[in-house]
Amino acid sequence: NAGVTQTPKFQVLKTGQSMTLQCAQDMNHEYMSWYRQDPGMGLRLIHYSVGAGITDQGEVPNGYNVSRSTTEDFPLRLLSAAPSQTSVYFCASSYGPDHYEQYFGPGTRLTVT
Amino acid sequence: GIQVEQSPPDLILQEGANSTLRCNFSDSVNNLQWFHQNPWGQLINLFYIPSGTKQNGRLSATTVATERYSLLYISSSQTTDSGVYFCAVPTYYGNNRLAFGKGNQVVVIP
Repeated sequence: NAGVTQTPKFQVLKTGQSMTLQCAQDMNHEYMSWYRQDPGMGLRLIHYSVGAGITDQGEVPNGYNVSRSTTEDFPLRLLSAAPSQTSVYFCASSYGPDHYEQYFGPGTRLTVT
Repeated sequence: GIQVEQSPPDLILQEGANSTLRCNFSDSVNNLQWFHQNPWGQLINLFYIPSGTKQNGRLSATTVATERYSLLYISSSQTTDSGVYFCAVPTYYGNNRLAFGKGNQVVVIP
């Protein structure tokens, strides 16, 4: 199993550009999440999904969109990038909620200039 | 919400030394995970340990759920153990969010 994969590993955007961060898992996990990690702020939940076709907002959803058309994929879209979105983004997945182990992807380091 | 505190925040170890990292949490949990964030930024699962003791090579972890703490032991440390160690517990807000501690920054010097 590849586990949780993310692409790209690094990305530089200009303010106002759009892009999609890709996340895929091959463990047949129903639950998938996007976090961002910032110095001094820890990891914060952006959006999450409890299965194909079902998504919801986390703590810091503004500026980000998600969709989940398949169990395997959970892309994160930035519609109009802002410097405040400079961060490291992690995708995570788990078989179920709360008491199930979560697995994290390798992360995408995004810089918005 | 649930609070997670880790200590010590920073630790410098001589290669070969042993160390103990501590994670305290403020409410009952049925899941606790330890992660290692390596210098390249990757979050590596170390242990899923809601209670009891587990061992994986030179690392072991113990969670005492009734007393709301977990310990991570590093024995015979190596330079590859450098990085930040996080513990995380579920928040039970219905969004599957994990609450992370601020981490233990570990530097192992040769």
